[in-house]
Amino acid sequence: ILNVEQSPQSLHVQEGDSTNFTCSFPSSNFYALHWYRWETAKSPEALFVMTLNGDEKKKGRISATLNTKEGYSYLYIKGSQPEDSATYLCAFCNQGGKLIFGQGTELSVKP
Amino acid sequence: DTAVSQTPKYLVTQMGNDKSIKCEQNLGHDTMYWYKQDSKKFLKIMFSYNNKELIINETVPNRFSPKSPDKAHLNLHINSLELGDSAVYFCASSQAGAPQFQHFGDGTRLSIL
Repeated sequence: ILNVEQSPQSLHVQEGDSTNFTCSFPSSNFYALHWYRWETAKSPEALFVMTLNGDEKKKGRISATLNTKEGYSYLYIKGSQPEDSATYLCAFCNQGGKLIFGQGTELSVKP
Repeated sequence: DTAVSQTPKYLVTQMGNDKSIKCEQNLGHDTMYWYKQDSKKFLKIMFSYNNKELIINETVPNRFSPKSPDKAHLNLHINSLELGDSAVYFCASSQAGAPQFQHFGDGTRLSIL
């Protein structure tokens, strides 16, 4: 059984705070790691896909790192804004092309 | 322009009925997927089709049958609906190849009475 675990499950921060979440995944049979942003009543929206150990990706105030040897990825948000409030999902992609999602980290940013 | 569209958005029906959920993508992608969001909010893969061919078939009851008439469409037919089928079902698509982003539809909330 492959488990993808995200922590924390929920997070409440003030506007302007920087924050980060963790995604843990199996280190074997790794092919890619996806991050998605999922706003309430909308569909998940792709943020990053990372494939190489040591990858770092950035999109505006959001960035992510990848460690495939130890099986974790961090997502960072710098200077959180209320519009960043969403659930952030990571998904482990194995060699067979199957995505296994974590439960997500629910972020709430208060003005 | 809607990239991945699912219909209907809401489906309320009685136990024992047969229903279908339709999915269409206009992105020119080769691969389409069906996911079920379970009670703990996990998205779990059910099926994946690449260019109309089944490539992933998870352990789902055979009451669930996907149909792909062409690579832009992947419909999900469910026979003899049960209470446990109540969930949100998401369709997604991607270019062929595992590392590619998946683009999701807005989901279909299925409620069984």
